Order: sequence, then C-alpha cells, then structure tokens
Amino acid sequence: SAVISQKPSRDICQRGTSLTIQCQVDSQVTMMFWYRQQPGQSLTLIATANQGSEATYESGFVIDKFPISRPNLTFSTLTVSNMSPEDSSIYLCSIGQGENIQYFGAGTRLSVL
Amino acid sequence: AQSVTQPDIHITVSEGASLELRCNYSYGATPYLFWYVQSPGQGLQLLLKYFSGDTLVQGIKGFEAEFKRSQSSFNLRKPSVHWSDAAEYFCAADFSGGYNKLIFGAGTRLAVHP
Repeated sequence: SAVISQKPSRDICQRGTSLTIQCQVDSQVTMMFWYRQQPGQSLTLIATANQGSEATYESGFVIDKFPISRPNLTFSTLTVSNMSPEDSSIYLCSIGQGENIQYFGAGTRLSVL
Repeated sequence: AQSVTQPDIHITVSEGASLELRCNYSYGATPYLFWYVQSPGQGLQLLLKYFSGDTLVQGIKGFEAEFKRSQSSFNLRKPSVHWSDAAEYFCAADFSGGYNKLIFGAGTRLAVHP
C-alpha cells in the first residue's frame, strides 16, 4: 500500500489559534479522508477531500471550522480553526486505495490549552 | 441508523491464551467489514476485511474473523495472543456500497498479561 505521511505528528496550541495538518501520499490516490478521534473515543469522519473541488463534510462538521484543501492527487491539508480545548484530538488522514479499503496515516495529536 | 457495536471496552487476556473480540453491525444489507488495530501512538493498521464469499477470513499477524449473517456479527479471533498484540482494536463497516464511508465501533482495548 501507499506510504502516508502526516505532519506534524503532535502539537500543543493556544486557544483561538489555527493549526494546519498536512497529509502527503507517495502515489496518486483518488480518495482522501480526514477523521477525528477524540480522547478515548472512536474515529469520526470529518470530510472527504475532493481533488479540485470543495470537500464533502459530514454532519456536524463545517468548512469554516475545518477547511480542507486538496490541490492534487497526492496531498491534502486540514486546518483546525479558532481552536478550543474541545478540539484536542487525534486527527487522521486516510486514503481509499483499491478494493474499497482505507489506509491511515499515523495521525496528528493535537492538544489545545 | 447504521452503526457498529463493540460490546467490550476492555479485555485482558494472558499471553498464549485465545482471544475473541466481538463486533456487531446494524441490520440491513451486509456492509463491507473491517478490523483495524491501533497501537499506542500509532495510526490504524488494517488487519483484515470481508466483502463477500468465504465467511472465515484470514488476516495479518495470525488474526482471523468470521462473518455470521444471522447474528450480524464479525468477530475477530486469535488462537494464541502475544504480548505485542496489546493495542486498541476497531471494527468498521462500509454501508455505502463501496463509497468508502466507514463507520467505526467504539473500540476494544486489549491488555495482555505475561
């Protein structure tokens, strides 16, 4: 499977600031996704990152809070905007690659003070 | 609503013992089913998947899972657990017919005693 790199791996941020998380894949992929994993919780899909068009957000997530870019088939970013402590989570990107399977990056551990 | 249930939040087993982690999905058409493992500080690694066909599927690291339509279940098993298997295990389902909309269970945290 493709190699998925996420940056940063972790960060500690002040409330009210924004953080942009990068997801780089070593091959072209059609589908990229962003998930949130709140402390002690399961994963929840935030949005599907569509190449060349706006992301498709799931219920409960909005573009103003989680803007996503997908400039090409190997790269995407997720920004967590105007952060509050409730945004402290692990954020993971994944790719859809063949046979309807998703592969995940190592995640970004975000703590908001 | 479509959902995935993992009834066991925590499970502790002794090294060398057998393991079964339970997973149930909501009724309806059979989804695509997956088991992922998340080791501490790591992302998710795919253990195995079920789309159709043989209801007993083999995965990596000696894991297998059995799909039972009558019970809407997809339980994960391993005959002999190793200390390195201690991790969190997530069952996931794609009810969207292959459009990659994964719904995850709450996860089962596995502890392994020496």
